[in-house]
Amino acid sequence: KQEVTQIPAALSVPEGENLVLNCSFTDSAIYNLQWFRQDPGKGLTSLLLIQSSQREQTSGRLNASLDKSSGRSTLYIAASQPGDSATYLCAPNSGGGADGLTFGKGTHLIIQP
Amino acid sequence: NAGVTQTPKFRILKIGQSMTLQCAQDMNHNYMYWYRQDPGMGLKLIYYSVGAGITDKGEVPNGYNVSRSTTEDFPLRLELAAPSQTSVYFCASSLLGTGGNYGYTFGSGTRLTVV
Repeated sequence: KQEVTQIPAALSVPEGENLVLNCSFTDSAIYNLQWFRQDPGKGLTSLLLIQSSQREQTSGRLNASLDKSSGRSTLYIAASQPGDSATYLCAPNSGGGADGLTFGKGTHLIIQP
Repeated sequence: NAGVTQTPKFRILKIGQSMTLQCAQDMNHNYMYWYRQDPGMGLKLIYYSVGAGITDKGEVPNGYNVSRSTTEDFPLRLELAAPSQTSVYFCASSLLGTGGNYGYTFGSGTRLTVV
Protein backbone atom coordinates (compact mmCIF):
# COMPACT_ATOMS: atom_id res chain seq x y z
CA LYS A 1 0.00 0.00 0.00
CA GLN A 2 1.31 3.43 -1.00
CA GLU A 3 2.24 5.72 1.86
CA VAL A 4 3.08 9.39 1.49
CA THR A 5 5.07 11.57 3.86
CA GLN A 6 5.41 15.32 3.56
CA ILE A 7 8.12 17.28 5.30
CA PRO A 8 7.96 19.75 6.94
CA ALA A 9 4.46 19.49 8.38
CA ALA A 10 4.42 23.26 8.87
CA LEU A 11 6.57 26.15 7.74
CA SER A 12 6.47 29.89 8.48
CA VAL A 13 8.84 32.22 6.64
CA PRO A 14 9.02 35.91 5.66
CA GLU A 15 7.96 36.80 2.17
CA GLY A 16 10.53 36.78 -0.58
CA GLU A 17 12.21 33.53 0.44
CA ASN A 18 12.62 30.57 -1.86
CA LEU A 19 11.08 27.42 -0.41
CA VAL A 20 11.35 23.68 -0.86
CA LEU A 21 8.56 21.34 0.18
CA ASN A 22 9.36 17.65 0.31
CA CYS A 23 7.25 14.62 -0.49
CA SER A 24 8.31 10.97 -0.22
CA PHE A 25 6.35 7.88 -1.20
CA THR A 26 6.96 4.19 -0.58
CA ASP A 27 5.88 2.60 -3.90
CA SER A 28 7.88 3.91 -6.85
CA ALA A 29 5.59 2.23 -9.43
CA ILE A 30 3.58 5.37 -10.10
CA TYR A 31 2.10 6.86 -13.26
CA ASN A 32 2.37 10.46 -12.17
CA LEU A 33 2.32 12.74 -9.16
CA GLN A 34 0.07 15.72 -8.61
CA TRP A 35 0.68 18.71 -6.33
CA PHE A 36 -2.34 20.50 -4.92
CA ARG A 37 -2.95 23.63 -2.94
CA GLN A 38 -5.72 23.82 -0.33
CA ASP A 39 -6.83 27.11 1.22
CA PRO A 40 -8.57 27.00 4.62
CA GLY A 41 -12.12 25.71 4.27
CA LYS A 42 -11.75 25.29 0.52
CA GLY A 43 -11.27 22.55 -2.03
CA LEU A 44 -8.11 21.30 -3.71
CA THR A 45 -6.61 23.28 -6.56
CA SER A 46 -4.25 21.42 -8.86
CA LEU A 47 -0.88 23.13 -9.19
CA LEU A 48 1.29 20.76 -11.17
CA LEU A 49 1.02 17.28 -12.64
CA ILE A 50 4.32 15.55 -13.32
CA GLN A 51 4.32 12.33 -15.31
CA SER A 52 6.54 9.39 -14.32
CA SER A 53 8.66 9.92 -17.46
CA GLN A 54 9.34 13.56 -16.55
CA ARG A 55 11.99 14.91 -14.20
CA GLU A 56 10.35 18.26 -13.58
CA GLN A 57 7.42 20.52 -14.38
CA THR A 58 7.15 24.30 -14.06
CA SER A 59 4.30 26.76 -13.70
CA GLY A 60 5.17 30.37 -12.98
CA ARG A 61 7.05 30.54 -9.67
CA LEU A 62 6.44 26.86 -8.99
CA ASN A 63 8.70 24.00 -10.00
CA ALA A 64 8.08 20.36 -9.16
CA SER A 65 10.71 17.67 -9.53
CA LEU A 66 10.26 13.92 -9.45
CA ASP A 67 12.77 11.18 -8.68
CA LYS A 68 10.59 8.13 -9.11
CA SER A 69 13.24 5.54 -8.36
CA SER A 70 13.97 7.05 -4.96
CA GLY A 71 10.32 7.83 -4.21
CA ARG A 72 10.73 11.57 -3.85
CA SER A 73 9.25 14.77 -5.19
CA THR A 74 9.95 18.36 -4.28
CA LEU A 75 7.93 21.51 -4.84
CA TYR A 76 10.05 24.62 -5.18
CA ILE A 77 8.36 28.00 -4.64
CA ALA A 78 10.39 30.99 -5.77
CA ALA A 79 10.10 34.46 -4.26
CA SER A 80 7.30 33.51 -1.88
CA GLN A 81 4.35 35.88 -1.34
CA PRO A 82 1.71 36.10 1.42
CA GLY A 83 -0.83 34.81 -1.13
CA ASP A 84 1.11 31.53 -1.23
CA SER A 85 -0.05 30.78 2.32
CA ALA A 86 -2.00 27.51 2.17
CA THR A 87 -1.63 23.79 2.73
CA TYR A 88 0.25 21.96 -0.02
CA LEU A 89 -0.57 18.34 -0.74
CA CYS A 90 1.28 15.86 -2.91
CA ALA A 91 -0.43 12.79 -4.32
CA PRO A 92 1.23 10.05 -6.36
CA ASN A 93 -1.03 8.02 -8.63
CA SER A 94 -0.38 4.28 -8.56
CA GLY A 95 -2.84 3.23 -11.22
CA GLY A 96 -6.33 4.60 -10.89
CA GLY A 97 -9.43 3.36 -9.11
CA ALA A 98 -8.62 2.20 -5.61
CA ASP A 99 -4.92 2.53 -6.47
CA GLY A 100 -5.28 6.09 -7.69
CA LEU A 101 -4.19 9.13 -5.73
CA THR A 102 -2.73 8.64 -2.26
CA PHE A 103 -2.43 11.77 -0.15
CA GLY A 104 0.01 12.86 2.49
CA LYS A 105 -1.03 15.07 5.41
CA GLY A 106 0.34 18.13 3.67
CA THR A 107 2.67 21.02 4.47
CA HIS A 108 0.97 24.01 6.10
CA LEU A 109 2.75 27.07 4.77
CA ILE A 110 2.53 30.60 6.17
CA ILE A 111 4.27 33.46 4.40
CA GLN A 112 4.68 36.47 6.68
CA PRO A 113 4.29 39.92 5.05
CA ASN B 1 -17.39 27.23 -15.43
CA ALA B 2 -16.36 23.69 -16.25
CA GLY B 3 -15.47 21.55 -13.30
CA VAL B 4 -16.83 19.53 -10.40
CA THR B 5 -19.83 20.91 -8.51
CA GLN B 6 -20.77 19.71 -5.03
CA THR B 7 -23.92 20.49 -3.07
CA PRO B 8 -24.61 21.34 -0.33
CA LYS B 9 -21.54 23.19 0.96
CA PHE B 10 -22.50 22.74 4.61
CA ARG B 11 -24.90 20.45 6.44
CA ILE B 12 -25.68 19.51 10.02
CA LEU B 13 -27.31 16.13 10.56
CA LYS B 14 -28.68 14.45 13.65
CA ILE B 15 -27.52 10.93 14.51
CA GLY B 16 -29.52 8.40 12.53
CA GLN B 17 -30.65 10.78 9.80
CA SER B 18 -29.94 10.17 6.14
CA MET B 19 -28.74 12.46 3.39
CA THR B 20 -27.31 12.52 -0.09
CA LEU B 21 -24.27 14.54 -1.09
CA GLN B 22 -24.50 15.59 -4.70
CA CYS B 23 -21.63 15.69 -7.17
CA ALA B 24 -21.74 16.63 -10.85
CA GLN B 25 -19.04 17.16 -13.45
CA ASP B 26 -19.34 18.61 -16.94
CA MET B 27 -15.98 17.54 -18.36
CA ASN B 28 -17.20 14.16 -19.67
CA HIS B 29 -14.78 12.40 -17.33
CA ASN B 30 -15.08 8.64 -17.01
CA TYR B 31 -13.77 8.34 -13.47
CA MET B 32 -15.31 9.87 -10.38
CA TYR B 33 -14.31 9.60 -6.74
CA TRP B 34 -15.47 10.43 -3.24
CA TYR B 35 -12.93 11.28 -0.55
CA ARG B 36 -13.24 12.33 3.07
CA GLN B 37 -10.79 14.59 4.86
CA ASP B 38 -10.52 14.56 8.64
CA PRO B 39 -8.52 17.20 10.55
CA GLY B 40 -4.78 16.55 10.39
CA MET B 41 -5.23 13.55 8.14
CA GLY B 42 -4.77 12.92 4.45
CA LEU B 43 -7.72 12.42 2.15
CA LYS B 44 -9.10 8.89 2.17
CA LEU B 45 -10.99 7.27 -0.72
CA ILE B 46 -14.56 6.20 0.08
CA TYR B 47 -15.91 5.00 -3.28
CA TYR B 48 -15.05 5.42 -6.92
CA SER B 49 -16.62 4.82 -10.32
CA VAL B 50 -14.98 4.00 -13.64
CA GLY B 51 -18.08 4.81 -15.68
CA ALA B 52 -21.85 4.90 -15.63
CA GLY B 53 -23.25 1.85 -13.87
CA ILE B 54 -19.93 0.79 -12.34
CA THR B 55 -18.88 1.58 -8.78
CA ASP B 56 -16.42 0.07 -6.33
CA LYS B 57 -15.25 0.48 -2.76
CA GLY B 58 -12.28 2.49 -1.68
CA GLU B 59 -10.40 2.46 1.61
CA VAL B 60 -13.24 3.59 3.94
CA PRO B 61 -16.65 2.59 2.42
CA ASN B 62 -18.54 1.55 5.58
CA GLY B 63 -21.63 3.63 6.23
CA TYR B 64 -21.85 4.98 2.68
CA ASN B 65 -23.44 4.05 -0.62
CA VAL B 66 -23.05 5.40 -4.14
CA SER B 67 -24.66 5.12 -7.55
CA ARG B 68 -23.62 6.24 -11.03
CA SER B 69 -26.58 6.32 -13.39
CA THR B 70 -25.06 8.95 -15.70
CA THR B 71 -21.55 10.02 -16.66
CA GLU B 72 -22.12 13.42 -15.06
CA ASP B 73 -23.47 12.55 -11.61
CA PHE B 74 -22.06 10.58 -8.70
CA PRO B 75 -24.11 11.03 -5.48
CA LEU B 76 -22.91 9.75 -2.11
CA ARG B 77 -25.55 8.54 0.35
CA LEU B 78 -25.27 8.34 4.12
CA GLU B 79 -28.04 6.08 5.43
CA LEU B 80 -27.71 6.29 9.22
CA ALA B 81 -25.50 9.21 10.12
CA ALA B 82 -23.00 8.68 12.94
CA PRO B 83 -20.67 11.19 14.66
CA SER B 84 -17.71 9.38 13.07
CA GLN B 85 -18.96 10.62 9.70
CA THR B 86 -18.34 14.23 10.66
CA SER B 87 -15.84 15.27 8.03
CA VAL B 88 -15.27 17.26 4.87
CA TYR B 89 -16.25 15.34 1.76
CA PHE B 90 -14.65 15.93 -1.62
CA CYS B 91 -15.75 14.69 -4.99
CA ALA B 92 -13.22 14.42 -7.81
CA SER B 93 -13.12 13.33 -11.42
CA SER B 94 -10.55 12.37 -14.03
CA LEU B 95 -10.65 11.41 -17.69
CA LEU B 96 -8.46 8.40 -17.04
CA GLY B 97 -7.90 6.46 -13.85
CA THR B 98 -4.22 7.29 -14.00
CA GLY B 99 -5.06 10.96 -14.44
CA GLY B 100 -3.84 11.23 -18.03
CA ASN B 101 -2.56 14.65 -19.04
CA TYR B 102 -4.74 16.66 -16.71
CA GLY B 103 -4.85 14.76 -13.46
CA TYR B 104 -7.75 14.85 -11.06
CA THR B 105 -10.17 17.79 -10.66
CA PHE B 106 -11.72 18.33 -7.25
CA GLY B 107 -14.91 19.98 -6.12
CA SER B 108 -15.05 22.60 -3.36
CA GLY B 109 -16.24 20.13 -0.73
CA THR B 110 -19.18 19.52 1.61
CA ARG B 111 -18.61 20.11 5.30
CA LEU B 112 -20.80 17.69 7.26
CA THR B 113 -21.36 17.70 11.01
CA VAL B 114 -23.28 14.89 12.72
CA VAL B 115 -24.61 15.75 16.19
